[in-house]
Amino acid sequence: KAGVTQTPRYLIKTRGQQVTLSCSPISGHRSVSWYQQTPGQGLQFLFEYFSETQRNKGNFPGRFSGRQFSNSRSEMNVSTLELGDSALYLCASSATANSGNTIYFGEGSWLTVV
Amino acid sequence: SQQGEEDPQALSIQEGENATMNCSYKTSINNLQWYRQNSGRGLVHLILIRSNEREKHSGRLRVTLDTSKKSSSLLITASRAADTASYFCATDAVESNYQLIWGAGTKLIIKP
Repeated sequence: KAGVTQTPRYLIKTRGQQVTLSCSPISGHRSVSWYQQTPGQGLQFLFEYFSETQRNKGNFPGRFSGRQFSNSRSEMNVSTLELGDSALYLCASSATANSGNTIYFGEGSWLTVV
Repeated sequence: SQQGEEDPQALSIQEGENATMNCSYKTSINNLQWYRQNSGRGLVHLILIRSNEREKHSGRLRVTLDTSKKSSSLLITASRAADTASYFCATDAVESNYQLIWGAGTKLIIKP
């Protein structure tokens, strides 16, 4: 079956603009998580959704938001972009929200803010 | 917050040698997972070890877990050029509401 799909793969935005990234999880997966990864850094957790409800949220400003739709697809939005928002944004899905589940990552969306 | 800390931050070895990476964490966990990331790509799950397990194998991978020391190690035997990647550990802490906590990763370079 198809893996986690993220769109767009690459995008360039200007400071002050906003951006929406999309994630389609593996079919049947109900949990979607988002991460930010900057060059040379580990993964910074943004938020996690399960069955359209945000279950966990990382320590990011309110400019970062997300949502999940009834078909489990998810979007994240960053408003008023700053240069420091340039990063690889990764989406991951898992079948349930239980401990010990393997999570499957998409290839990521590379965001460059100029 | 980052609970897991990988050590070393970077490791460069010759092809055919074994590579060992370590991960330390701070709180009690349900399980610990290791993932691999090729440059600029998504992460790929390698292996999961539960808190009641001490060692686990998968092909050329061997993972150990010492809950008394709050640490885990990932051993890759007979390394290959294709093993060049960053390796991350992720812990599922007991109090974390199933949120995975990630380390900063170990960058492994296999020299031909």
